Amino acid sequence: SQKIEQNSEALNIQEGKTATLTCNYTNYSPAYLQWYRQDPGRGPVFLLLIRENEKEKRKERLKVTFDTTLKQSLFHITASQPADSATYLCALDMMDSSYKLIFGSGTRLLVRP
Amino acid sequence: DADVTQTPRNRITKTGKRIMLECSQTKGHDRMYWYRQDPGLGLRLIYYSFDVKDINKGEISDGYSVSRQAQAKFSLSLESAIPNQTALYFCATSRGLAADTQYFGPGTRLTVL
Repeated sequence: SQKIEQNSEALNIQEGKTATLTCNYTNYSPAYLQWYRQDPGRGPVFLLLIRENEKEKRKERLKVTFDTTLKQSLFHITASQPADSATYLCALDMMDSSYKLIFGSGTRLLVRP
Repeated sequence: DADVTQTPRNRITKTGKRIMLECSQTKGHDRMYWYRQDPGLGLRLIYYSFDVKDINKGEISDGYSVSRQAQAKFSLSLESAIPNQTALYFCATSRGLAADTQYFGPGTRLTVL
């Protein structure tokens, strides 16, 4: 079965730096991969989607890459701000034509002022 | 107003009690999901419904049941709550299209004593 690995340790960076979060998967390559943001006590909020035939996707300060050879997606936040502090989840489709998602456990990002 | 609402937001109950968590949505989506979130385990799918007449078990359905009363309403019941059902519960909706994104409610924090 598909497993998703996200670094369980928090990423602690200085404001203004680029944050890079990693999502690795172990089995089949999904047709698409999504990134969500979750604040404490809140539901996840969709940020970006990247398809298997796309190498890179950008939205404002966010950038996602997708490497099907490495079975990895990287999520970058440039010029990070304390307001970017949150947990970031990656999610993959289940490849069973249902469009259901499998979620990783997330990586917590802390941006210091 | 929020597109996906959940009630209650917090609930403390005792072992053996029956509990119902409710979810309502105004997004007009056919698909609805119930997840639970535990520290370090990410979001795990309990039940999902692709329309009012289509309800399916997820990966951790034991001890739970659901009811889809209408397109907009999807309830999760714990028939006889046990302490290891203490978790954060999220309802989500989606349109049911390829590369579907999910829209989450604010969550219900359930504690079973």
